[in-house]
Amino acid sequence: QKEVEQNSGPLSVPEGAIASLNCTYSDRVSQSFFWYRQYSGKSPELIMSIYSNGDKEDGRFTAQLNKASQYVSLLIRDSQPSDSATYLCAVITYQAGTALIFGKGTTLSVSS
Amino acid sequence: NAGVTQTPKFRILKIGQSMTLQCTQDMNHNYMYWYRQDPGMGLKLIYYSVGAGITDKGEVPNGYNVSRSTTEDFPLRLELAAPSQTSVYFCASKRDGEETQYFGPGTRLLVL
Repeated sequence: QKEVEQNSGPLSVPEGAIASLNCTYSDRVSQSFFWYRQYSGKSPELIMSIYSNGDKEDGRFTAQLNKASQYVSLLIRDSQPSDSATYLCAVITYQAGTALIFGKGTTLSVSS
Repeated sequence: NAGVTQTPKFRILKIGQSMTLQCTQDMNHNYMYWYRQDPGMGLKLIYYSVGAGITDKGEVPNGYNVSRSTTEDFPLRLELAAPSQTSVYFCASKRDGEETQYFGPGTRLLVL
């Protein structure tokens, strides 16, 4: 059973700090990794995708991938109260029509 | 361009009742998916479809059925509702050759 593991949190950071969210996955052949943000009562919203080892930056968000360690992370710089949400890590499974396998999510709370 | 739409937004069912959750996308996407999300959990794949007339089971298909007679529509059928099917249901779609999935707003189902 392919799995994606996340620390469920909650992770609490003050406004302006860096929030660090982590994810590990079990399937070594995985190639595509995603971070979704989900506000309470809403659907998941894609914020980052990463396919190669290393860092990928988009505004205040940086995704980091280490395939050897089967580890993906998301850094949020200058955290804002509006970043308070659940962050879902997801990996593509090529065995089910390229569906996504999701972790349970990490709840982030940014205090002002 | 409405994207992925789902109806109803919320429904209460009695044990043993049946219902159909509707999902429609207007992006001409071949791939469509049904996920369920239980409280505090990530999304789990119920069924998926790679095109009209082609469907297959995901991780948690028991108690559900699907059909895909058109590219646009991918309804999910619950035949005999059980309390374990209380969840939020998300439909998603994507274009062939791409990996980004687009999610609908979700249907919240309560089975009592």
